[in-house]
Amino acid sequence: AIQMTQSPSSLSASVGDRVTITCRASQGIRNDLGWYQQKPGKAPKLLIYAASSLQSGVPSRFSGSGSGTDFTLTISSLQPEDFATYYCLQDYNYPQVTFGGGTKVEIK
Amino acid sequence: QVTLKESGPVLVKPTETLTLTCTVSGFSLSNARMGVSWIRQPPGKALEWLAHIFSNDEKSYSTSLKSRLTISKDTSKSQVVLTMTNMDPVDTATYYCARIVHYGYAVGFDYWGQGTLVTVSS
Repeated sequence: AIQMTQSPSSLSASVGDRVTITCRASQGIRNDLGWYQQKPGKAPKLLIYAASSLQSGVPSRFSGSGSGTDFTLTISSLQPEDFATYYCLQDYNYPQVTFGGGTKVEIK
Repeated sequence: QVTLKESGPVLVKPTETLTLTCTVSGFSLSNARMGVSWIRQPPGKALEWLAHIFSNDEKSYSTSLKSRLTISKDTSKSQVVLTMTNMDPVDTATYYCARIVHYGYAVGFDYWGQGTLVTVSS
């Protein structure tokens, strides 16, 4: 099974900061990767699919990059509503998908 | 408007079988560009994919849980059902159903249910 490792597991940042979260796959997965945002008590929300494609309605401050084994989610200017936990998801083996362990973004 | 809603027991006893239903609206379970997965999340932990059903009724299961899971659908009722046998306290989690959609060759879980917390305890 493909393992997805996210780093860091948590981070503290201020409003307006540029934030970068990374995800590494245990084997090459082309660009078959998505990013999801989850707020406490809520279902996850799709932000990015195919590593870099922005889901409709998602603010342009979110961007994704990478291919193969290393991927990045970037928030260009952190907003108060962005404090949440972020998960990567590989769909290279769709439908046998795998989530990363999550990155919690907290207020500094 | 696309919606998914999970329903089922909030409490099950160890060794019992869990049956969860996902009722969808705003799309058809026979749409070839879409499918439905079940995903769970233990309290304070990460998401875990469990099972998926395609529009043509093909099914796929988590390797680690395959022996305990069954997924099925009733297209006429717009429902997807997941059963998990031999429940254990470690299966305590919020269970989500989610729609997966094809963006050309890519996929994404674009709509999710609100989730249902299932506690396993005697």
